[in-house]
Amino acid sequence: QQPVQSPQAVILREGEDAVINCSSSKALYSVHWYRQKHGEAPVFLMILLKGGEQKGHEKISASFNEKKQQSSLYLTASQLSYSGTYFCGTEIGSSGNTPLVFGKGTRLSVIA
Amino acid sequence: DAMVIQNPRYQVTQFGKPVTLSCSQTLNHNVMYWYQQKSSQAPKLLFHYYDKDFNNEADTPDNFQSRRPNTSFCFLDIRSPGLGDAAMYLCATSRDLRRGGNEQFFGPGTRLTVL
Repeated sequence: QQPVQSPQAVILREGEDAVINCSSSKALYSVHWYRQKHGEAPVFLMILLKGGEQKGHEKISASFNEKKQQSSLYLTASQLSYSGTYFCGTEIGSSGNTPLVFGKGTRLSVIA
Repeated sequence: DAMVIQNPRYQVTQFGKPVTLSCSQTLNHNVMYWYQQKSSQAPKLLFHYYDKDFNNEADTPDNFQSRRPNTSFCFLDIRSPGLGDAAMYLCATSRDLRRGGNEQFFGPGTRLTVL
């Protein structure tokens, strides 16, 4: 039931945009997005819940397609600080009372 | 500041020598998690506590045990570390688990080296 992320890796120049996708074969209650820099702990970015509720940083943009069980994270006008590995995590079931299962991650490198 | 603290940040142990990693939180969250993360991989959940209720993942080896003596503290015991147990161990908390959508707060991790 591990969600599938794509792409596995992406390289951007500063100012460019990127989209990271996360999909599941299970009916999702929520999708969580985290960013992890090398040697550090994952940092929360956003939660998207079925029904349309979102929680997270205002500067982060993401979508959740409940019919397709897919979520996308949109990184616009990228900055060097955006570099890191992005993980999506999913909660399944009608109430989502299951621990997060993380995807394998997308490694983003932003270069000057 | 409310936070999740892990000690030590770096731990070196010998093959087969028991080791204990600790995690504490000042968030007063009901749920505490232990993850294992190997290089370039996703965090893998080992177990979690919802209050005092312990939940072991099906594929977590018996070599890994956990204790949560109170709300604030949680320990990961590795009874006989093998070379394959070398990894970053992440502790995380969340407010609740009865309904999803709760942000997880991660500690800085303990990097375990097994010689």
